[in-house]
Amino acid sequence: QITLKESGPTLVKPTETLTLTCTVSGFSLNTREEGVGWIRQPPGKALEWLALIFWDGDTRHSPSLKSRLSVTRDTSKNQVVLKMTNVDPADTATYYCAHMRWLRYSYDYWGQGTLVTVSS
Amino acid sequence: QSALTQPPSASGSPGQSVTISCTGTSSDVGRYDSVSWYQHHPGKAPKLIIYDVSKRPSGVPDRFAGSKSGNTASLTVSGLQTEDEAHYYCTSYAGSDKLGVFGGGTKLTVL
Repeated sequence: QITLKESGPTLVKPTETLTLTCTVSGFSLNTREEGVGWIRQPPGKALEWLALIFWDGDTRHSPSLKSRLSVTRDTSKNQVVLKMTNVDPADTATYYCAHMRWLRYSYDYWGQGTLVTVSS
Repeated sequence: QSALTQPPSASGSPGQSVTISCTGTSSDVGRYDSVSWYQHHPGKAPKLIIYDVSKRPSGVPDRFAGSKSGNTASLTVSGLQTEDEAHYYCTSYAGSDKLGVFGGGTKLTVL
């Protein structure tokens, strides 16, 4: 049974760095052809893909946010960490992490999401 | 602006069928058979309902069907049920340097 759970602050001030952790179970972060992605949804808006970390540690980031994003993993803790620097109120959103099957290019298991508000 | 274009809304009555389109380009939808669809109810996690254009994950009813023609992918929901009322998003592979593009989403209303 694959599960993912996001954790992190619910409120962040503008210009600060947001750090979110995705704790996974039911699969290994080293499993070939699998990965963990981050997707967000601002209130009332569409899903927006942020980043992906592959089974070999390779990463991809949204071109529009690339300079502000980093995604890393700790395989010993089964955790994937997303960092977003210099946050703005426009970054207020529900943030999801999701398990990806690369050969199917799809996210088949999702975390429950965590709402992050950026406000002073 | 999303690289994949979806109609903002769609609707149908219980028992009817509705089709939602997802229009891309010859560099994504038209080039790869890697289109996925997600169902998203407010306050819940998105759910994968179609991958590889037309395949359904285990547990997804066969009322949900995916197809593709040229640069446009489609999701057809047959025998509409009230619980099908949700937002639906498409994605498509577009090359290793253009990962993760979602469509703008379609709100499906079951009248």
